[in-house]
Amino acid sequence: GAVVSQHPSRVICKSGTSVKIECRSLDFQATTMFWYRQFPKQSLMLMATSNEGSKATYEQGVEKDKFLINHASLTLSTLTVTSAHPEDSSFYICSARPPRVAGEQYFGPGTRLTVT
Amino acid sequence: QKEVEQDPGPLSVPEGAIVSLNCTYSNSAFQYFMWYRQYSRKGPELLMYTYSSGNKEDGRFTAQVDKSSKYISLFIRDSQPSDSATYLCAMSEGGATNKLIFGTGTLLAVQP
Repeated sequence: GAVVSQHPSRVICKSGTSVKIECRSLDFQATTMFWYRQFPKQSLMLMATSNEGSKATYEQGVEKDKFLINHASLTLSTLTVTSAHPEDSSFYICSARPPRVAGEQYFGPGTRLTVT
Repeated sequence: QKEVEQDPGPLSVPEGAIVSLNCTYSNSAFQYFMWYRQYSRKGPELLMYTYSSGNKEDGRFTAQVDKSSKYISLFIRDSQPSDSATYLCAMSEGGATNKLIFGTGTLLAVQP
């Protein structure tokens, strides 16, 4: 199956700092990547859709100036949480869709962000 | 009403049992149906992928889609303790964005 990696797997930062999370598709090119957020014992909540070479599309209620997404290449998308606060602490997961495949998405292992 | 409904469980079964997991949905435009398995503190792993109605089998796993009833199922035969995880159903209309809509997930525990 398709492999998606995320880095870092875990990060602890102080309130007010910014954190960058990388998502890479290792064995395929992904024109579209997705960023999700998951709270404990809850399902995944789509934050934004990242398209290579264009601006990300954010879901309703997600602050685009706080969660900056850059999809600079066909294998890399980054999510930067700016001026992080404790309420941003969560599990962030990315996914990628292989080209010419409808429906399927492959997920990264997730990044656990803790803001102190 | 949520677009996708899934019983959160927890569901506890003895090893070797047949497990049935289900989701219902309201959007008739969904065409792609997936089941993901998620272990604690890990990303979801794609288990089964089905387009439109029908059955699909892969080893001990069988996925069923009934679009007329807006109902999908995942069956696990000869369940193992290693199957203990949260199972998420997900659906998509397809198209350019291919946004997935997830169920809340069902926590399954297979007791040895």
